[in-house]
Amino acid sequence: EPEVTQTPSHQVTQMGQEVILRCVPISNHLYFYWYRQILGQKVEFLVSFYNNEISEKSEIFDDQFSVERPDGSNFTLKIRSTKLEDSAMYFCASSRDRGLMNTEAFFGQGTRLTVV
Amino acid sequence: QKEVEQNSGPLSVPEGAIASLNCTYSDRGSQSFFWYRQYSGKSPELIMFIYSNGDKEDGRFTAQLNKASQYVSLLIRDSQPSDSATYLCAVNTGFQKLVFGTGTRLLVSP
Repeated sequence: EPEVTQTPSHQVTQMGQEVILRCVPISNHLYFYWYRQILGQKVEFLVSFYNNEISEKSEIFDDQFSVERPDGSNFTLKIRSTKLEDSAMYFCASSRDRGLMNTEAFFGQGTRLTVV
Repeated sequence: QKEVEQNSGPLSVPEGAIASLNCTYSDRGSQSFFWYRQYSGKSPELIMFIYSNGDKEDGRFTAQLNKASQYVSLLIRDSQPSDSATYLCAVNTGFQKLVFGTGTRLLVSP
């Protein structure tokens, strides 16, 4: 069964460093997302991406964050200068389209980011 | 602020019983509704979605939607210990994002 894959599974970084989280969405999906979940809290939307553009972003997704689809398969989230409060599980998700009946988003296994 | 509310639980049921999980949402423009299961430290796993009023059944799971009451529920029949997890309700308001509730922790005892 097709799945969303994320690398690495765990990333430890020093405060102020840049990190890039990588995702390979399901191959025939067109919409890509990043969510995050701080330990013990709810899953929060960060950004959606379609046709090489950001479709929507949350207030969390400030200038420190960026997304890119550098080739036909990878989808990346970059955090330019990490802060302690960026420590969270980051989930990539993809969906086939945005139609009412087909908006299921399938999640990758997540990257646990720890900022020290 | 578009909110999705769930009782955090835990909801404890014995093996073989029906577990009933509830969710309310604030945005009347919400179009589709999703239930995800999340095991501790793992990613959300889609169980089912519903977008029309009424019931939708898939195996042991039944989702129920009442848009007038802004209420969606998930019933799990014949609950198994392996169903013990946190169940996340998520709402798509028509834009390209899901708004999640905090989840209800379900414990199924053998």
